[in-house]
Amino acid sequence: DSGVTQTPKHLITATGQRVTLRCSPRSGDLSVYWYQQSLDQGLQFLIQYYNGEERAKGNILERFSAQQFPDLHSELNLSSLELGDSALYFCASSVDGGLYTDTQYFGPGTRLTVL
Amino acid sequence: AQSVSQHNHHVILSEAASLELGCNYSYGGTVNLFWYVQYPGQHLQLLLKYFSGDPLVKGIKGFEAEFIKSKFSFNLRKPSVQWSDTAEYFCAVNAPPRNMLTFGGGTRLMVKP
Repeated sequence: DSGVTQTPKHLITATGQRVTLRCSPRSGDLSVYWYQQSLDQGLQFLIQYYNGEERAKGNILERFSAQQFPDLHSELNLSSLELGDSALYFCASSVDGGLYTDTQYFGPGTRLTVL
Repeated sequence: AQSVSQHNHHVILSEAASLELGCNYSYGGTVNLFWYVQYPGQHLQLLLKYFSGDPLVKGIKGFEAEFIKSKFSFNLRKPSVQWSDTAEYFCAVNAPPRNMLTFGGGTRLMVKP
């Protein structure tokens, strides 16, 4: 157990819908990272938040957005869902976000299925 | 932007065999290198990491990796695999100052008892 929690574990929804994935970082960690793992794209970095502010952005679609709240939990919002958005979404956390030597600890993931 | 290649997509070994998984990266500057493992149904766990210093890095569960800068490689090794090593292995890099990880495509290892 890494100490990073994600809910829900599984999510099944229909095309065009909107969903919210939740992540709670390890106690004391200020940075949260979101990654998408799909069969065709592999593991891709989406976005990073540090202490409530966006720190880095990767291959995140405009239909996707994220935020980090004052209690440091983060939510990833996916809207206008398409079949291709079906994937495993991982959250990771690290102590800091400005230190590239920080180890990222991964959560168990949320498996999203879009029908 | 950096990229990572793992050439072996699937590897099947018998218990006690030696393991070497290849990882090559593409980036002109300083990088940090990582190997993560994902056991079936579980989250990604860090096996080992290289930031600087001795290019031979030892990690958990008997794994080690060697950073060869001239070859842009960071291959993972284990002298004798066990059935419990069956998992998917991911090589990853980040390039300072950012801590965003770029992952390779992963290698699925199956160890036959």
